[in-house]
Amino acid sequence: AQKVTQAQTEISVVEKEDVTLDCVYETRDTTYYLFWYKQPPSGELVFLIRRNSFDEQNEISGRYSWNFQKSTSSFNFTITASQVVDSAVYFCALRVAYGNKLVFGAGTILRVKS
Amino acid sequence: GAVVSQHPSRVICKSGTSVKIECRSLDFQATTMFWYRQFPKQSLMLMATSNEGSKATYEQGVEKDKFLINHASLTLSTLTVTSAHPEDSSFYICSAKDGNTEAFFGQGTRLTVV
Repeated sequence: AQKVTQAQTEISVVEKEDVTLDCVYETRDTTYYLFWYKQPPSGELVFLIRRNSFDEQNEISGRYSWNFQKSTSSFNFTITASQVVDSAVYFCALRVAYGNKLVFGAGTILRVKS
Repeated sequence: GAVVSQHPSRVICKSGTSVKIECRSLDFQATTMFWYRQFPKQSLMLMATSNEGSKATYEQGVEKDKFLINHASLTLSTLTVTSAHPEDSSFYICSAKDGNTEAFFGQGTRLTVV
């Protein structure tokens, strides 16, 4: 069975601070995909990134960066110079290669204060 | 990116009535659709997976007779909450995928049963 753990229930930062959201996953499969989604107050899920298990290169997209470490089964997400618009719930998710099912973590509420 | 439209975005219904939620893939053929339920401040829980033209596969603990899922075409799936009760009040969100893509999420439906 797969499991995704986001230990941080809620994080509050002041604008322009950097913030890292942690994600730890469990799976016995060797081929899988990891995701991050953003859920703003309006409710829709916004896709941020997908990473497959064979690609451990870190990725940067603007103020967002992701650190994938297979050795620790972690896929952490960092927002640099946070902005108020970054306030949302962020979900980490896992899908094994042969399946359709996304397993979500509990989510981390990020509050960015001006 | 692909667009998945969910309707209505909000619905209030009386206890004992049924309510139907639609999920449409607007620019691709969705061979598989997923229905999730999200309680306040909680994660998304998969309710069922439906493949076009076949019966939905429900997750453990989800009542098939209460949450009727129909996926009669490649662009439309519906979730009908039958004989709704206040405890069914929740945020319901669908996602859709074809054979090659990751799933795209709809905007979600906030159901309130009074």
